[in-house]
Amino acid sequence: GESVGLHLPTLSVQEGDNSIINCAYSNSASDYFIWYKQESGKGPQFIIDIRSNMDKRQGQRVTVLLNKTVKHLSLQIAATQPGDSAVYFCAENSHGSSNTGKLIFGQGTTLQVKP
Amino acid sequence: DVKVTQSSRYLVKRTGEKVFLECVQDMDHENMFWYRQDPGLGLRLIYFSYDVKMKEKGDIPEGYSVSREKKERFSLILESASTNQTSMYLCATDRGTNEKLFFGSGTQLSVL
Repeated sequence: GESVGLHLPTLSVQEGDNSIINCAYSNSASDYFIWYKQESGKGPQFIIDIRSNMDKRQGQRVTVLLNKTVKHLSLQIAATQPGDSAVYFCAENSHGSSNTGKLIFGQGTTLQVKP
Repeated sequence: DVKVTQSSRYLVKRTGEKVFLECVQDMDHENMFWYRQDPGLGLRLIYFSYDVKMKEKGDIPEGYSVSREKKERFSLILESASTNQTSMYLCATDRGTNEKLFFGSGTQLSVL
């Protein structure tokens, strides 16, 4: 069945280092992927998205990489700051399933930034 | 920026009560969604709506209903609250398929 998962529930990095958060997906028909950040007590906030016709997309301090061959998605955060501490979710659309057009979320990775 | 407003940040209800969670968006989006978020389970879709008076079941609709009488407002109803419905409830909206979801701040519901 479909699943969207993150490899690690918790990632701890030093302030100033780069962070890489990974996500695996199983539905090869998915063509849209998105990363969200959720701070404690708040709703998820959009970070960056990517469509399947791209391998890489860059935003401000963030880069998303999509490897369709191995169905892997990653979020890279450059020069990680204390304000980046949060839970990060990946999500894919669900083309090809009974929930066509809706996002399916992974369980999240908690990023802890050490000063 | 899109604003998605959920009427309550925290709610405490008793088992058997009827509970209404309200959500309002200000961007004229067609699509609105209700999710619940639980530790270890991530975000799970309860119901969604693509238009006024239209609703479709998500992955976990049991024990819930919804109402969309106006485009900007999407309500989640717990007909008879139970303790296993204690959760964080998130409303979201988007403007179409393969578009990002905008989330509200969430309602933390506790059913005692």
